[in-house]
Amino acid sequence: AQTVTQSQPEMSVQEAETVTLSCTYDTSESNYYLFWYKQPPSRQMILVIRQEAYKQQNATENRFSVNFQKAAKSFSLKISDSQLGDTAMYFCASSNNAGNMLTFGGGTRLMVKP
Amino acid sequence: EPEVTQTPSHQVTQMGQEVILRCVPISNHLYFYWYRQILGQKVEFLVSFYNNEISEKSEIFDDQFSVERPDGSNFTLKIRSTKLEDSAMYFCASRETRGPLNEKLFFGSGTQLSVL
Repeated sequence: AQTVTQSQPEMSVQEAETVTLSCTYDTSESNYYLFWYKQPPSRQMILVIRQEAYKQQNATENRFSVNFQKAAKSFSLKISDSQLGDTAMYFCASSNNAGNMLTFGGGTRLMVKP
Repeated sequence: EPEVTQTPSHQVTQMGQEVILRCVPISNHLYFYWYRQILGQKVEFLVSFYNNEISEKSEIFDDQFSVERPDGSNFTLKIRSTKLEDSAMYFCASRETRGPLNEKLFFGSGTQLSVL
């Protein structure tokens, strides 16, 4: 079984600044995958970034990057140069190697202020 | 970019009634999923579907729920006798191959189900 925990229910950041969202997970899988999803007010789930656990290099996607600490079971998301359009709920999620099911954390509501 | 389409966007029903939520996955995708999100709570896995049968289901997916791919394009979730606690946003998702989930899972915009 997998569990995902996001300890920050809400965060705010000034436009153009950097913010880091925290996520910890627990799994008994030998290999697994980690994801950050964005859910804007439209409530559609949009993949932001993904990380394969066997890869040591942290994933990056433009302004989004992760800090993957496997031993600590930590997977934080860093958003650089925050934009107003980044305002959304952010969900951390994990998947086992079979990839048939995502387990989500409780979400962090991010507000980017002008 | 291709999209997963869900209809309706909002459905209101009376407790005890049957509802069918509809999804049109991306055309070349083979694996289909339903998730739900009760307001203010986590997104929860319900069921996965491949080759016209259920691959995996959660404890939430009890006998009141069923899924079907009635034709080559639609993927439906049926709730036979709705309960108040079934009120939630229901997300359909699809992807092309099963693999180790190293390619993108596409989500639809969701159907908000309100049971009165």
